[in-house]
Amino acid sequence: QVQLQESGPGLVKPSGTLSLTCAVSGGSISSNNWWVWVRQPPGQGLEWVGEIFHYGSANYNPSLKSRVTISVDKSRNQFSLDLNSVTAADTAVYYCARDSGLSSFDYWGQGTLVTVSS
Amino acid sequence: DIQMTQSPSSLSASVGDRVTITCRASQTITTYLNWFQQKPGKAPNLLIYSASILQRGVPSRFSGSGSGTDFTLTINSLQPEDFATYYCQQSYSTPRTFGQGTKVEIK
Repeated sequence: QVQLQESGPGLVKPSGTLSLTCAVSGGSISSNNWWVWVRQPPGQGLEWVGEIFHYGSANYNPSLKSRVTISVDKSRNQFSLDLNSVTAADTAVYYCARDSGLSSFDYWGQGTLVTVSS
Repeated sequence: DIQMTQSPSSLSASVGDRVTITCRASQTITTYLNWFQQKPGKAPNLLIYSASILQRGVPSRFSGSGSGTDFTLTINSLQPEDFATYYCQQSYSTPRTFGQGTKVEIK
């Protein structure tokens, strides 16, 4: 059973960098899947942030592209999200998930709330 | 970007009712359409992928249909545990995009 667990600071200052890590267990990050970040502002809908494949190929949401980087650490079986120049609009629950392709986002982390505030 | 539009935004229904939620894409996505259920404080849960394939472990009262631009999620005989928010999502192209959600509430 694949499990994903997000970790990182729950509070980030405006103009700072939001950094989160997603640890994958029960499966290899080098498997034939994309690894995804999705966020959800409080009381709002879901927004795809971006994705990465294990060899490093990444795709980002154009609305965030200039500020976001997703990376993978195969030795630790985890992937990470960095979002810089954050504002209050980046306050959200951030989820990591596995995109298995045909069956879409089939495994999710429990989510972590990141608040941007001074 | 492909825009996904769900209707209605919310609905009230009773246990035992049949519920239908629709999702429209701004361009054809063939059958690259997925449905998720989300309960408060929880991560979304995949219900249906490729428009009509039921994810393992999901009750058979859930079904999906459609292709091209118009899709439907149907819940037959609504159960108490089905009161939640439902999202459609296209996996035809990046950026992956979600509908705005449909909240199913108890009447």
